[in-house]
Amino acid sequence: RKEVEQDPGPFNVPEGATVAFNCTYSNSASQSFFWYRQDCRKEPKLLMSVYSSGNEDGRFTAQLNRASQYISLLIRDSKLSDSATYLCVVNMWSSGAGSYQLTFGKGTKLSVIP
Amino acid sequence: DTAVSQTPKYLVTQMGNDKSIKCEQNLGHDTMYWYKQDSKKFLKIMFSYNNKELIINETVPNRFSPKSPDKAHLNLHINSLELGDSAVYFCASSGSRSYSPLHFGNGTRLTVT
Repeated sequence: RKEVEQDPGPFNVPEGATVAFNCTYSNSASQSFFWYRQDCRKEPKLLMSVYSSGNEDGRFTAQLNRASQYISLLIRDSKLSDSATYLCVVNMWSSGAGSYQLTFGKGTKLSVIP
Repeated sequence: DTAVSQTPKYLVTQMGNDKSIKCEQNLGHDTMYWYKQDSKKFLKIMFSYNNKELIINETVPNRFSPKSPDKAHLNLHINSLELGDSAVYFCASSGSRSYSPLHFGNGTRLTVT
């Protein structure tokens, strides 16, 4: 099982649609979870942290399911400006490094179409 | 104010050369990182540096070496550049707690010819 695995995408959705991304992680001891957004040829930027009880920020809702080891991101009323790659990030133990490290999924590309 | 800044933004060089990328953060963070994003857009950690402790990703060739003159700076030196080193390199910083998110610089696009 890959450390952090995301929906392969791409997702092409019309404006106003609701879209959901899922992400699974392999290490049950992981404690910190995030969603990042990366625009083309730009750096990743924090979209939101993911809390155990789930959390919402405007049109964005993040959920965590520890039992099944997955997190999700729901985007309601999609805007053209939401078009980007969404990266799932999990704080995981790295045996090679001997410490916890933030591990990125490969990202899911979203295109919102007029 | 730029929180994490790295220079240069673009770097084109020939195989075999030695180059450096500089990174500075003004967030007061304890930990700094270097990430590599390859042509398939996969972000992979190369190094993290925390309170003078360097944690190295074991898959990184020893031609890559981070240098930290102080807590606010983490530079990346690359010796004997190879074609496969072409990628975008991102510097990042974070607080010391495990739930602290990363703040990225705007990346250095390295092209080795």
